[in-house]
Amino acid sequence: GAVVSQHPSWVICKSGTSVKIECRSLDFQATTMFWYRQFPKQSLMLMATSNEGSKATYEQGVEKDKFLINHASLTLSTLTVTSAHPEDSSFYICSVQRQGRTNQPQHFGDGTRLSIL
Amino acid sequence: AQTVTQSQPEMSVQEAETVTLSCTYDTSESDYYLFWYKQPPSRQMILVIRQEAYKQQNATENRFSVNFQKAAKSFSLKISDSQLGDAAMYFCAYRSGSGGSNYKLTFGKGTLLTVNP
Repeated sequence: GAVVSQHPSWVICKSGTSVKIECRSLDFQATTMFWYRQFPKQSLMLMATSNEGSKATYEQGVEKDKFLINHASLTLSTLTVTSAHPEDSSFYICSVQRQGRTNQPQHFGDGTRLSIL
Repeated sequence: AQTVTQSQPEMSVQEAETVTLSCTYDTSESDYYLFWYKQPPSRQMILVIRQEAYKQQNATENRFSVNFQKAAKSFSLKISDSQLGDAAMYFCAYRSGSGGSNYKLTFGKGTLLTVNP
């Protein structure tokens, strides 16, 4: 079964609204979660690294006030796209690094397709 | 910063034949991991195979094997007896062996594999 649950899988909303995406680790505690963005026919680009109980680390060029990340527990991280505009339309995907198993691969969520009208 | 290069944007193979996807990377680290991920049209990220840099033996998973050349910083994926279900985008990825946000994955641009019946 799925190890990581990402919700919603697809969201369509009007320009100017805020959208929250959840990434939940189902089977284990996760110290670190990652948020990626993928445009059509392109690769995954890391947006930020989310650590439980501390501020997220954003990659260069990613607006932290635009993409709010909260990692309040060892099993849940959320990405909020604030005041979304059409250029924010993309595929967002999270991954989870299992606590204490850093030699193991990350587990990916199934992604969220965000469409801003 | 680490970089991952996939020089083949697209590849095609006949069903039951063998195909090799290329990947090179650049790093100054000695401890790292390399991965091949498959992304079908559903956009799920599926781990195909992984290689620890300290292991000299090439990793193998059923019909999938790698040719890991550490000195040349090359990590190619060989798919034997190709099946229609192998058609997907394939991403090569690098991950540092050290901790914290260095567990993030750096992806290549991907190779779109088509399998012809």
